[in-house]
Amino acid sequence: DVVMTQSPLSLPVTLGQPASISCRSSQSLVHSNGNTYLNWFQQRPGQSPRRLIYKVSNRDSGVPDRFSGSGSGTDFTLKISRVEAEDVGVYYCMQGTAWPSFGGGTKVEIK
Amino acid sequence: EVQLVESGGGLVKPGGSLRLSCAVSGLVFSDAWMNWVRQAPGKGLEWVGRMQHSGGSIDYAAPVKGRFSILRDDSRNTMYLQMDSLKIEDTAVYYCTWDSDYYYTMDVWGQGATVTVSS
Repeated sequence: DVVMTQSPLSLPVTLGQPASISCRSSQSLVHSNGNTYLNWFQQRPGQSPRRLIYKVSNRDSGVPDRFSGSGSGTDFTLKISRVEAEDVGVYYCMQGTAWPSFGGGTKVEIK
Repeated sequence: EVQLVESGGGLVKPGGSLRLSCAVSGLVFSDAWMNWVRQAPGKGLEWVGRMQHSGGSIDYAAPVKGRFSILRDDSRNTMYLQMDSLKIEDTAVYYCTWDSDYYYTMDVWGQGATVTVSS
């Protein structure tokens, strides 16, 4: 099984400042077809998860461009260029290259 | 627009059974790849299982294999999660999700159905 490890567990951020979340996998997420199936999800308080980023760096429709994804192999990052109040919530990475598995989540809160 | 609506959650005793439904609209259901994902109270997300397009394979995570079954009714555009031999640790919000292609993409999520297993 592929284990996904996120850090930090909690991320207090000042409004307007950047935030960065790390996600590491226990094995390479590069599929034999050349694609890397690494997604990022946002779960606001009391809501269902919502996909933000797919295949490492592709933003979903309607996702603000302050969100960006990067990385390769086993190391991935979600960045928020300037945190807004509506970004509060828990962020999860998920790999779909093998049987799907999620990271433990990173809670983003405003300082 | 793809929409997923879960129903059927509730309180059940250990060892009991429950069936969740996921009503799907906005896509050709018979071609859809669909998942169940759960979230225990205050915890993270856990994949439960996936159903491929109609006639395709169905896969389950180890903790539920042999106890849970994923079913579909193409005439009703509905996927089901039949949960038998329920354990206290199955207590969670259960979400259905849609994959836009063969790989686990989880493009769209439902609002979730709450299952509580308690004596």
